[in-house]
Amino acid sequence: AQSVTQLDSHVSVSEGTPVLLRCNYSSSYSPSLFWYVQHPNKGLQLLLKYTSAATLVKGINGFEAEFKKSETSFHLTKPSAHMSDAAEYFCVVTASGGSYIPTFGRGTSLIVHP
Amino acid sequence: KAGVTQTPRYLIKTRGQQVTLSCSPISGHRSVSWYQQTPGQGLQFLFEYFSETQRNKGNFPGRFSGRQFSNSRSEMNVSTLELGDSALYLCASSFSERKSTDTQYFGPGTRLTVL
Repeated sequence: AQSVTQLDSHVSVSEGTPVLLRCNYSSSYSPSLFWYVQHPNKGLQLLLKYTSAATLVKGINGFEAEFKKSETSFHLTKPSAHMSDAAEYFCVVTASGGSYIPTFGRGTSLIVHP
Repeated sequence: KAGVTQTPRYLIKTRGQQVTLSCSPISGHRSVSWYQQTPGQGLQFLFEYFSETQRNKGNFPGRFSGRQFSNSRSEMNVSTLELGDSALYLCASSFSERKSTDTQYFGPGTRLTVL
């Protein structure tokens, strides 16, 4: 069994300040973890993924995430927010065992103020 | 390379009708998955097809069905529509047989409204 909890439904930041979107997971198997972004009326786009290699993963548009097994977390960060980062962000877990069906978090809406 | 395309983008139906949505994966991708996205339930997995075979199915009633063709294009069908079927239906493709590390590439979705 696996689950994902995105700890904040909304995060509000000012442009130029750091972004932190939090994600905790649980999995009975070795997990793979993904962050996707969804802009209004668009599909999901992959930001980055962790697949048991380096625990610090760098993605597109300056985002990165760190896999912490002891804390079962995979938080997404960015040093400086841009207006174009305003979107919905989804944390996703899959597992190496079982049926590979991905489990999505409920999403975090990132609001960026000028 | 062209991305995942979904048609139609918007659809309005009435209760009791049936609907067919179409998805064309990225060229060379053989796996296609379907998801339902609603404000109340979030993103939920419907089913996955690989090489014309359904490999996984989510927890949805039998009114939801799908198929995949030899060119990897996929369709999903919803019969006897209910108001609660109003949602954004997303299709995603990936290159290989379903592995936990695969990246899925999503289409823009079909917005279905049931009146």
